Amino acid sequence: DAGVIQSPRHEVTEMGQEVTLRCKPISGHDYLFWYRQTMMRGLELLIYFNNNVPIDDSGMPEDRFSAKMPNASFSTLKIQPSEPRDSAVYFCASSLTSGEQYFGPGTRLTVT
Amino acid sequence: GENVEQHPSTLSVQEGDSAVIKCTYSDSASNYFPWYKQELGKRPQLIIDIRSNVGEKKDQRIAVTLNKTAKHFSLHITETQPEDSAVYFCAAHEKLTFGTGTRLTIIP
Repeated sequence: DAGVIQSPRHEVTEMGQEVTLRCKPISGHDYLFWYRQTMMRGLELLIYFNNNVPIDDSGMPEDRFSAKMPNASFSTLKIQPSEPRDSAVYFCASSLTSGEQYFGPGTRLTVT
Repeated sequence: GENVEQHPSTLSVQEGDSAVIKCTYSDSASNYFPWYKQELGKRPQLIIDIRSNVGEKKDQRIAVTLNKTAKHFSLHITETQPEDSAVYFCAAHEKLTFGTGTRLTIIP
């Protein structure tokens, strides 16, 4: 297995634009997590899914953020409209039941 | 919700010495406590974990201890090496809450 796959690896966009981050979890894993990492706030859980169903989205900062998981092998995190303060590294992770989480390589987002 | 506090935020030790990082958590229902290592520019990776029915777990130079009564757990790294330099995160899994991280620097 190639591990958790994220795309793009880097994204630079202008304020106000829509940004879509993509994640493919490890096959067979039933949990998927989205995290945001910044120097100021550390590693924050944004939302997680179990069997494609969102379980806890209390970490989503505001309505500009949305996440979907249409099937077991794909998830998206969308920011619309983007703002400079959204600049961060966004990690996707997956796990089997509630065990070890395997992180993807991350997407470094820069909003100018 | 769960609150995880991690100390210290930075730690420098001489190569060969031991390093200890401590975390406390607030939710007594938490039952899984992983530790992740993140090297510069890389993703977090699990290095060791412990469940609430065990008080200590060891894997070569790395060990984790858990005190459920006091709600704290610690990471111990012995015989530190330069490649141990990284940021370490603890987490209390029940609420998927990570600590703020400890930047460990091993001084050759």
